[in-house]
Amino acid sequence: GQQLNQSPQSMFIQEGEDVSMNCTSSSIFNTWLWYKQDPGEGPVLLIALYKAGELTSNGRLTAQFGITRKDSFLNISASIPSDVGIYFCAAPLGGGSQGNLIFGKGTKLSVKP
Amino acid sequence: DTGVSQDPRHKITKRGQNVTFRCDPISEHNRLYWYRQTLGQGPEFLTYFQNEAQLEKSRLLSDRFSAERPKGSFSTLEIQRTEQGDSAMYLCASRLTGTGGLEQFFGPGTRLTVL
Repeated sequence: GQQLNQSPQSMFIQEGEDVSMNCTSSSIFNTWLWYKQDPGEGPVLLIALYKAGELTSNGRLTAQFGITRKDSFLNISASIPSDVGIYFCAAPLGGGSQGNLIFGKGTKLSVKP
Repeated sequence: DTGVSQDPRHKITKRGQNVTFRCDPISEHNRLYWYRQTLGQGPEFLTYFQNEAQLEKSRLLSDRFSAERPKGSFSTLEIQRTEQGDSAMYLCASRLTGTGGLEQFFGPGTRLTVL
């Protein structure tokens, strides 16, 4: 079945560092969504991508829709403590317009001790 | 514009009991989705509604689970004869179709613990 693989699984950040993460699949998608989830809360939508090659920014966050349509990337510039959390990529199940999403397992951002 | 709300936020129950959760979507959003999330995993799709019609159910939604959206506004998810494996975060999301996008907006979730 369809699966989204996120990398890395976890990473430590120091304030001011840039962060990069990615999401890959063997399936082709027409939409990529990136969410952030804080402990005990629901996911919050960060960025939506609809076109291969598209680069979209939301403040310090920039996401790209891969040219092959099988991957997407999220970058965070000049990280701050409130960036800590779990970042999920998501894409529509079956590539359809119903909107049912599949999610990766997430990339967990923590502060460097 | 208020976001998606869910009630209760936390529920602790004993195995074998029935539980019901409520979701109030963003007003005017015609699609409503239920997901389940276990520790260390991303949300997994359970079912969705277009207005009051339930259009799709995942194989994850066993016979003990039932969802309704009687007037096309709020939705309820009931789990009968709960099992310990039902312990999870239950998330609701909504979106408006016809806008050209697939963005879904999630509520804060209901954390279910089955003892």
